[in-house]
Amino acid sequence: NAGVTQTPKFQVLKTGQSMTLQCAQDMNHEYMSWYRQDPGMGLRLIHYSVGAGITDQGEVPNGYNVSRSTTEDFPLRLLSAAPSQTSVYFCASSYRDLLKETQYFGPGTRLLVL
Amino acid sequence: GESVGLHLPTLSVQEGDNSIINCAYSNSASDYFIWYKQESGKGPQFIIDIRSNMDKRQGQRVTVLLNKTVKHLSLQIAATQPGDSAVYFCAEKRPNDYKLSFGAGTTVTVRA
Repeated sequence: NAGVTQTPKFQVLKTGQSMTLQCAQDMNHEYMSWYRQDPGMGLRLIHYSVGAGITDQGEVPNGYNVSRSTTEDFPLRLLSAAPSQTSVYFCASSYRDLLKETQYFGPGTRLLVL
Repeated sequence: GESVGLHLPTLSVQEGDNSIINCAYSNSASDYFIWYKQESGKGPQFIIDIRSNMDKRQGQRVTVLLNKTVKHLSLQIAATQPGDSAVYFCAEKRPNDYKLSFGAGTTVTVRA
């Protein structure tokens, strides 16, 4: 298994540009989530999904959209990038089973918005 | 070994010594706790977890202790090695919820 994969690894955007961060997992996990990591602030939840067709907002959802059309994929969209969205973005997934809920993380996407 | 009574953002440890990393969690209803290790430029990696019906759990060179009375979690690393240098995060989860809440992290540096 490849686990959780993310693309791209690094991206530079100009203010106002849009882009999609890709996340895929091959573990048949129902639960997927997006976090952003900023210096000294740990990881903050942006959006999450408990299964295909279901998404919900996390702690810091503004400026981001998500969709979940398949179990495997959970893309994160920035419609109009802002410098405040400069961060490292991590995708994570787990079983939707409260006895096997350990979340596994991808390698991250480093985003710089100029 | 070296220990941190309160959560501190950094911990410097002599190679071979034991390390103790502390974490105060926020929600008394949380029922599941995880420690993650994050090396530079990589994603968080699962180390060990513990449920609220336990107060201690051991893994390979690592032990997690849970004190629900004071909402405190600790990670003990035995015989710390250079490869243990990383940022360590604790995370908590509430019952019937899949979302994790993360602490700010502790950067561990191992001195040769």
